Amino acid sequence: KNEVEQSPQNLTAQEGEFITINCSYSVGISALHWLQQHPGGGIVSLFMLSSGKKKHGRLIATINIQEKHSSLHITASHPRDSAVYICAVPPSNAGGTSYGKLTFGQGTILTVHP
Amino acid sequence: SQTIHQWPATLVQPVGSPLSLECTVEGTSNPNLYWYRQAAGRGLQLLFYSVGIGQISSEVPQNLSASRPQDRQFILSSKKLLLSDSGFYLCAWGAYNVLTFGAGSRLTVL
Repeated sequence: KNEVEQSPQNLTAQEGEFITINCSYSVGISALHWLQQHPGGGIVSLFMLSSGKKKHGRLIATINIQEKHSSLHITASHPRDSAVYICAVPPSNAGGTSYGKLTFGQGTILTVHP
Repeated sequence: SQTIHQWPATLVQPVGSPLSLECTVEGTSNPNLYWYRQAAGRGLQLLFYSVGIGQISSEVPQNLSASRPQDRQFILSSKKLLLSDSGFYLCAWGAYNVLTFGAGSRLTVL
């Protein structure tokens, strides 16, 4: 079973700061999810990436398959970015139905102060 | 476009009472459907997944069951709730390596 570790567990920042959240996993995978959980509990999928880097607005996700590590960056952070950020990985042999059989990190609680 | 609906959003139930959480998907056919749970202070965990009508796979032994009576309907049930069933339940559908989550249902068992 894949072990997924996120760091830090809690992160407090001032508005405008550059944020980095890290995710490491123990078993090689084909792709990795970054999810955002709002204070009310709803979850939004931010990225699914299998190599390199993806960018969406102020969010950037990178992955290094060889090092089994991914990072989520937020540029020019804003109080509305306050949420729990979760990385999740499918089984190493993911395909078809097993793709949703995710192992989740414990989440990083981000608080951005104005 | 594809959408996923999950209800009820919030539920408070006494120990020993039954449970039914429902999830429906629109805009797609034959989706893979998933139920996850997030217990208080813990990470998300996959409970059940389904690849088609009447096909349910369970990931962890528990007090809950799932059913898929229609292609785009996924139901999470219990005959008698336990205190430990409290948590946040999420439905998701997957296709082409993309997962879309419902808004979630927060269950409190008293």
